[in-house]
Amino acid sequence: GESVGLHLPTLSVQEGDNSIINCAYSNSASDYFIWYKQESGKGPQFIIDIRSNMDKRQGQRVTVLLNKTVKHLSLQIAATQPGDSAVYFCAELRNTGGFKTIFGAGTRLFVKA
Amino acid sequence: NAGVTQTPKFQVLKTGQSMTLQCAQDMNHEYMSWYRQDPGMGLRLIHYSVGAGITDQGEVPNGYNVSRSTTEDFPLRLLSAAPSQTSVYFCASRPFGQAASRQPQHFGDGTRLSIL
Repeated sequence: GESVGLHLPTLSVQEGDNSIINCAYSNSASDYFIWYKQESGKGPQFIIDIRSNMDKRQGQRVTVLLNKTVKHLSLQIAATQPGDSAVYFCAELRNTGGFKTIFGAGTRLFVKA
Repeated sequence: NAGVTQTPKFQVLKTGQSMTLQCAQDMNHEYMSWYRQDPGMGLRLIHYSVGAGITDQGEVPNGYNVSRSTTEDFPLRLLSAAPSQTSVYFCASRPFGQAASRQPQHFGDGTRLSIL
């Protein structure tokens, strides 16, 4: 079946290092992708998005890369900080009546001080 | 702006009881949705609405009802609670339309529901 998935359920990085969180998607018709951050006890919070006509988009300390050839999405966090510890979700918007958003299961990022 | 507000934050029910989870947004968003989040799984869509008076089923609608009488409010009703409905419930909203749909959803902080 079609799905948005993640390569790793958990990721542990040292404070100050760069983090890379990966995501695979299988619906080639999806044209909009989003990364969310979810802290404990909170709802998902938007981090960055990218449209399918782009390969890369940068924000403050975060970069999203989109490889449509292999249907792969990644989130890079530069100089990871303890406050970055959270669960990160990728999501795709499928243009199928109502533009429903499909979420991956999430990757938990641990930042070691 | 308050964004998306969900109440209550926590609730414990007995099997067979009914209740309504409240959701309100102050961003004038047409699209509102309810998700449940279970351990190890992504957010799963229960019901959604693209405007007042318009609702539709999502991926896991059984056991839940919704209504949308105003743009601001989108309550979720559990008709007869079952232990399988123990979960964290999130409400979200965003603009709706061909171009506007390519915007991220805004989420509330969730309702943690336990069914005994």
